[in-house]
Amino acid sequence: DAKTTQPPSMDCAEGRAANLPCNHSTISGNEYVYWYRQIHSQGPQYIIHGLKNNETNEMASLIITEDRKSSTLILPHATLRDTAVYYCIVPPPGTASKLTFGTGTRLQVTL
Amino acid sequence: DSGVTQTPKHLITATGQRVTLRCSPRSGDLSVYWYQQSLDQGLQFLIQYYNGEERAKGNILERFSAQQFPDLHSELNLSSLELGDSALYFCASSVEQGAANYGYTFGSGTRLTVV
Repeated sequence: DAKTTQPPSMDCAEGRAANLPCNHSTISGNEYVYWYRQIHSQGPQYIIHGLKNNETNEMASLIITEDRKSSTLILPHATLRDTAVYYCIVPPPGTASKLTFGTGTRLQVTL
Repeated sequence: DSGVTQTPKHLITATGQRVTLRCSPRSGDLSVYWYQQSLDQGLQFLIQYYNGEERAKGNILERFSAQQFPDLHSELNLSSLELGDSALYFCASSVEQGAANYGYTFGSGTRLTVV
């Protein structure tokens, strides 16, 4: 998998936007960026993925820079229930796919 | 409820024993993936099956084995258990062989404690 770098932890006030960065400078042209999160001891939850265009769904927005070397996951109005570890993953294309989870960013949403 | 069912939720067993963890994938999903999460190692990919066939292997110990049955449910067998096998074991499923266009759906896990 392309190496990803995320800050180990971030804080966000409830109701504010949480912007979680990810660097993936070795990404190749056909590799997708995936985001998952894991709320304490629960199974990881798929959030969103993208290739080059910005993506938005009911959970979050994904902004990928034009050179694709970094991306930002945006939770527009963070709530306490968004407190979790967020993983940015870039799996090699065409593989049988075994998502490799790194250490992620621990997001703490506070009152 | 994610649609991926794992049983049992909790399992306590002694060293040297053998256990079987079960996973029923989300309806329509053909791929099943097994992950291990221990405190000091994060989420580790173990093995993947697609429509009954093994498709990818990760850092799975020889004492561990898995299979996917015709009804697409999967079982992970852990034998000669050691204290270090204590972990959360997650199963995930997806429609396709890989994550290419769809994310994985994870179950709620089985917490295995070896004493």
